[in-house]
Amino acid sequence: DAKTTQPTSMDCAEGRAANLPCNHSTISGNEYVYWYRQIHSQGPQYIIHGLKNNETNEMASLIITEDRKSSTLILPHATLRDTAVYYCIVRAPNRDDKIIFGKGTRLHILP
Amino acid sequence: EPEVTQTPSHQVTQMGQEVILRCVPISNHLYFYWYRQILGQKVEFLVSFYNNEISEKSEIFDDQFSVERPDGSNFTLKIRSTKLEDSAMYFCASSHDRGRETQYFGPGTRLLVL
Repeated sequence: DAKTTQPTSMDCAEGRAANLPCNHSTISGNEYVYWYRQIHSQGPQYIIHGLKNNETNEMASLIITEDRKSSTLILPHATLRDTAVYYCIVRAPNRDDKIIFGKGTRLHILP
Repeated sequence: EPEVTQTPSHQVTQMGQEVILRCVPISNHLYFYWYRQILGQKVEFLVSFYNNEISEKSEIFDDQFSVERPDGSNFTLKIRSTKLEDSAMYFCASSHDRGRETQYFGPGTRLLVL
């Protein structure tokens, strides 16, 4: 089973920042936090990952708390195309081949 | 930007028939995966493949399923005798390395078993 807890759904107004929370209270020291998203009927799309430092790329920012028990994915200026299911996943390098997907958060971007 | 491709995008078959789903992973990737997603349900891992052999498989991946890398570019999933419950989206993924390396997913093949 997935080792993360996410809200079932969230709404965000277009143009605003979307902040998606994730709890991973049982994360171990060598596990990374990954975020993927799945736009309707498409394959999962990698967004970002991190270990303990905050990370930013062209798609999003990832904020990980100091105790690493939770994280937040930030889409800085959400557009209608960001409507998708967002998955928060913990994986250990050199151990986990597979990705275990949970139910994720269904994010609706409202015009 | 390199991407994983899958063919066909849709396949309809009769129960009991064999199907082969095809994938072309990203060219310098070494690890290959199949996942499936039954309509309305979670994405589920089926199998991982490295160095021409299965490295891990799930309980779903029973004797009806097989994978193959027949040449340097294709990666296939065969379902020997399809069942109604095999109807799902099947996603191929690849990564350059295991673990920390990001897996990149293809667009999927929608399989409908009648």
